[in-house]
Amino acid sequence: GQSLEQPSEVTAVEGAIVQINCTYQTSGFYGLSWYQQHDGGAPTFLSYNALDGLEETGRFSSFLSRSDSYGYLLLQELQMKDSASYFCAVTDSWGKFQFGAGTQVVVTP
Amino acid sequence: NAGVTQTPKFQVLKTGQSMTLQCAQDMNHEYMSWYRQDPGMGLRLIHYSVGAGITDQGEVPNGYNVSRSTTEDFPLRLLSAAPSQTSVYFCASSYGQGNEQFFGPGTRLTVL
Repeated sequence: GQSLEQPSEVTAVEGAIVQINCTYQTSGFYGLSWYQQHDGGAPTFLSYNALDGLEETGRFSSFLSRSDSYGYLLLQELQMKDSASYFCAVTDSWGKFQFGAGTQVVVTP
Repeated sequence: NAGVTQTPKFQVLKTGQSMTLQCAQDMNHEYMSWYRQDPGMGLRLIHYSVGAGITDQGEVPNGYNVSRSTTEDFPLRLLSAAPSQTSVYFCASSYGQGNEQFFGPGTRLTVL
């Protein structure tokens, strides 16, 4: 089976850095991805890691350690518009996705 | 490109009714998935497809059927609606299993 764990909520001030951790258990692991979802909207893709290491996309970075079954999403220079839910998702080699329960990020002035 | 489209946007059903949620994509993606999202929760996979004619079950397939006769379309059928199926339904597509998933705008379904 598959399972993912991520924190339920993180609060930070504008300009700060936030790290959202994700640990997973899955068979046939293929990759770890991250999605952002604003209230009432559809999820949008942020980042994807298939190999160990750091991927950087602007203010957002994502990290994967396959040996530790662990990854994180790093949000830098937080802005008010970054207030949203963030989901990690694992893909297996058959193309099946599983999402975590999500982390609510609250950015305060 | 329209991306991923879903119809209808909103739907109210009575218990026992059946209906089909439509999903279409114009990006020639092989992979398509259906998810449901309950308030304050993550997305749970209902069914997915890795190409025309190929479908498989996700975490919560009971009460739902799918078929994939073309690359573009992936309809989700509710066989006999139950209040427990009240949720927001998202369809998504991707080029491959490791690639970015593009989501449709969602269908908000209420079953009375």
